[in-house]
Amino acid sequence: GNSVTQMEGPVTLSEEAFLTINCTYTATGYPSLFWYVQYPGEGLQLLLKATKADDKGSNKGFEATYRKETTSFHLEKGSVQVSDSAVYFCALSGSSGYSTLTFGKGTMLLVSP
Amino acid sequence: GAGVSQSPSNKVTEKGKDVELRCDPISGHTALYWYRQSLGQGLEFLIYFQGNSAPDKSGLPSDRFSAERTGGSVSTLTIQRTQQEDSAVYLCASSPSGNSMSGYTFGSGTRLTVV
Repeated sequence: GNSVTQMEGPVTLSEEAFLTINCTYTATGYPSLFWYVQYPGEGLQLLLKATKADDKGSNKGFEATYRKETTSFHLEKGSVQVSDSAVYFCALSGSSGYSTLTFGKGTMLLVSP
Repeated sequence: GAGVSQSPSNKVTEKGKDVELRCDPISGHTALYWYRQSLGQGLEFLIYFQGNSAPDKSGLPSDRFSAERTGGSVSTLTIQRTQQEDSAVYLCASSPSGNSMSGYTFGSGTRLTVV
């Protein structure tokens, strides 16, 4: 079946540091890949997505590239801010016409001033 | 509505009691999903609705859990005879269709605590 593995957190960084959160997946066919973000006390929000190999999703300074050869979708940001402190979830959807999203366990990011 | 609305936001219940959790999806979204978020466990899929029918209920953990959706809109997740292991945040999401490639819009969740 489908599965998503994320690096365990928390990831603790100083403001303006470079961020990488690793995500690898197992799936049949050609899934779509997503990053969701959950700020404290809020629901999950879609951050970015990529629907085919070599696509790069980007939003709010975050980027992730769909790497089929390494089955990865690592999240990066060049300079994090305190306001980026949140839990980040990697997810995939199957390649069938209907499928639900499979999520990783989430990675907490803490950014200090 | 403008977003996915869930109620109540918090619920504390005694072990053995029944609870009902409500989800009001975005107007016009035909697909609705329930997930459970437990500490350290990520998001666990429970059930998916397309319209009023549930083509995938494979994630419901036991027969104490049930869900329905009426009028292609509001959904209710019911947990009977609650147990302490049911304590979690229950998240509802909706999407314009059953194709998840467009992503979901999530509600803020209901935090259920069984004491």
